[in-house]
Amino acid sequence: GESVGLHLPTLSVQEGDNSIINCAYSNSASDYFIWYKQESGKGPQFIIDIRSNMDKRQGQRVTVLLNKTVKHLSLQIAATQPGDSAVYFCAENIGDSGNKLVFGAGTILRVKS
Amino acid sequence: GAVVSQHPSWVICKSGTSVKIECRSLDFQATTMFWYRQFPKQSLMLMATSNEGSKATYEQGVEKDKFLINHASLTLSTLTVTSAHPEDSSFYICSARLTSTDTQYFGPGTRLTVL
Repeated sequence: GESVGLHLPTLSVQEGDNSIINCAYSNSASDYFIWYKQESGKGPQFIIDIRSNMDKRQGQRVTVLLNKTVKHLSLQIAATQPGDSAVYFCAENIGDSGNKLVFGAGTILRVKS
Repeated sequence: GAVVSQHPSWVICKSGTSVKIECRSLDFQATTMFWYRQFPKQSLMLMATSNEGSKATYEQGVEKDKFLINHASLTLSTLTVTSAHPEDSSFYICSARLTSTDTQYFGPGTRLTVL
């Protein structure tokens, strides 16, 4: 079946550096992508989203890039802080499946002080 | 905005008993809510889609008679784990879909432990 996957299961960065978390997706029918942050013992928290008619979207300290040609999604976090330490999931919304989300495996981001 | 709550946040029950988990969208109406299960160090797995006023749609492999879903109002969906067994112990998370954007907002999760 089709799935969303991540290249790096764990990413360690120094506080203040920029972080880049990558995600590959395989469903060409996906029209909407979301990044979530999940802290231990909590539910996923919405970070940023992007629709398939865009290739870049910026938020506060975060940027999502979408490359539909190679089916690749990335989350960039500027000036990473200790509070950014969490598991990050990309999710794709498959529009022709009742708007269900398919989640990637997750990347652990560890920020070193 | 777009806050989703779950109750209880954790529950411990004996094997064979039933447990009900509530999911509420606090500041928006949600015609569609979703229930996920997450095992330690794993991703979220969709169990079912809960539609207000109609039957839930279950994912392949999820027993509808074991995981009863009721979505009686635009702000409340409930998941009842019937005759729970230790293998049902997991982190159950709900989400509510904001219709205007299709974005799913998640609750804080419910930790179920079945003894």
